[in-house]
Amino acid sequence: GENVEQHPSTLSVQEGDSAVIKCTYSDSASNYFPWYKQELGKRPQLIIDIRSNVGEKKDQRIAVTLNKTAKHFSLHITETQPEDSAVYFCAAPWGNTPLVFGKGTRLSVIA
Amino acid sequence: GAGVSQSPRYKVAKRGQDVALRCDPISGHVSLFWYQQALGQGPEFLTYFQNEAQLDKSGLPSDRFFAERPEGSVSTLKIQRTQQEDSAVYLCASSAHASTGALYGYTFGSGTRLTVV
Repeated sequence: GENVEQHPSTLSVQEGDSAVIKCTYSDSASNYFPWYKQELGKRPQLIIDIRSNVGEKKDQRIAVTLNKTAKHFSLHITETQPEDSAVYFCAAPWGNTPLVFGKGTRLSVIA
Repeated sequence: GAGVSQSPRYKVAKRGQDVALRCDPISGHVSLFWYQQALGQGPEFLTYFQNEAQLDKSGLPSDRFFAERPEGSVSTLKIQRTQQEDSAVYLCASSAHASTGALYGYTFGSGTRLTVV
């Protein structure tokens, strides 16, 4: 089945610095790559997604890049703030199977 | 409704007890998904409905797990004879699109935290 690997598992950055989280997937037919943010005790929330016909998408301080040849995609957060501290999950579909999620990255932004 | 609603928010069950977890998706959403999230892990797929049809139940870990969506709206996940390894957060998600989410994201509920003692 689809294997979505995410790293690092934990990431600490100083406030104002950038954070990058990377994911790799195994199904070359995958064409949609969302990122979810989950704060402690809360629901996962979609923060940005990218489809396979583009290589990069930006929304204010967050961006996602996709390299279909290498089968990896990355989340970039610039000018990090304490409220960015959360667990971030990448996901990808596999055939007709619903989204398969990575194991998550715990981001800590230190003020 | 304005979002995906799940109940109960917390459930403590004695080992061997049956439990039923409810999900109210966003009104009109065609697709409904159940995921299991163990502590410190990512959501793991359990089962998927398109309207009332259960199109994929490959993620259900055993025949003790059963899900239904009889009228294509509210869904119930039932776990029979609960065991300690069933302790997790059970997340429900819905999507307006009749697909597995290959091109669109899901809206998640807040989940039901099940603790089996």
